[in-house]
Amino acid sequence: DIVMTQSPDSLAVSLGERATINCKSSQSIFSRSNSKNYLAWYQQKPGHPPKVLIYWALTRESGVPDRFSGSGSGTDFTLTISSLQAEDVAVYYCQQYYTSPTFGQGTKVEIK
Amino acid sequence: QLVQSGAEVKRPGASVKVSCKASGYSFTSYGISWVRQAPGQGLQWMGWISVYNGETKYAQNLQGRVTMTTNTSTSTAYMELRSLRFDDTAVYYCARTFDILTGSDWFDPWGQGTLVTVST
Repeated sequence: DIVMTQSPDSLAVSLGERATINCKSSQSIFSRSNSKNYLAWYQQKPGHPPKVLIYWALTRESGVPDRFSGSGSGTDFTLTISSLQAEDVAVYYCQQYYTSPTFGQGTKVEIK
Repeated sequence: QLVQSGAEVKRPGASVKVSCKASGYSFTSYGISWVRQAPGQGLQWMGWISVYNGETKYAQNLQGRVTMTTNTSTSTAYMELRSLRFDDTAVYYCARTFDILTGSDWFDPWGQGTLVTVST
């Protein structure tokens, strides 16, 4: 299985400031056949199921605010929240789907 | 959307079957994955079924204990887990996948979750 490792495990950011979450895969999840990285990002709020934010590493899901962006390729990826809002407090997960799906351990984002 | 069955309490060694009813899309044009989340823990993919052709893939650590099925006449997917252990206590989610051939995909949308508690 491909192991996904997120960093940090938690972070506290002031309202309006940038939040950056990293995700590293144990092997490349880039496909040369379609030039895509097989990575998604999810947001999970307490008591709710996860919600997809980003897929193909950088494609924002419809309806997701543009302050959320994904970047990276190969084995190293980043989710950036450009200006943290109160409603962004949640746990964020990365997930690879290059092979049988696996998730990172999650990153808890709080307000400083 | 995906609407799951209600919470269950089971004894160790018993079986549980969770349902996931789909609406608002063509059920047979997608797949359904199951993901579980132990209390306070992260997400674990359990397996996938292609509603299109019935093919299944299961996580290695659950092989032999889990079965995923669908009923296309009622647009409902099912996940049965047998020989329950205390560490199977978790919220179980179903989620739609776009890929109908490999099971390797992102998940959208998700069901609301079903809490399965294994307790004496």
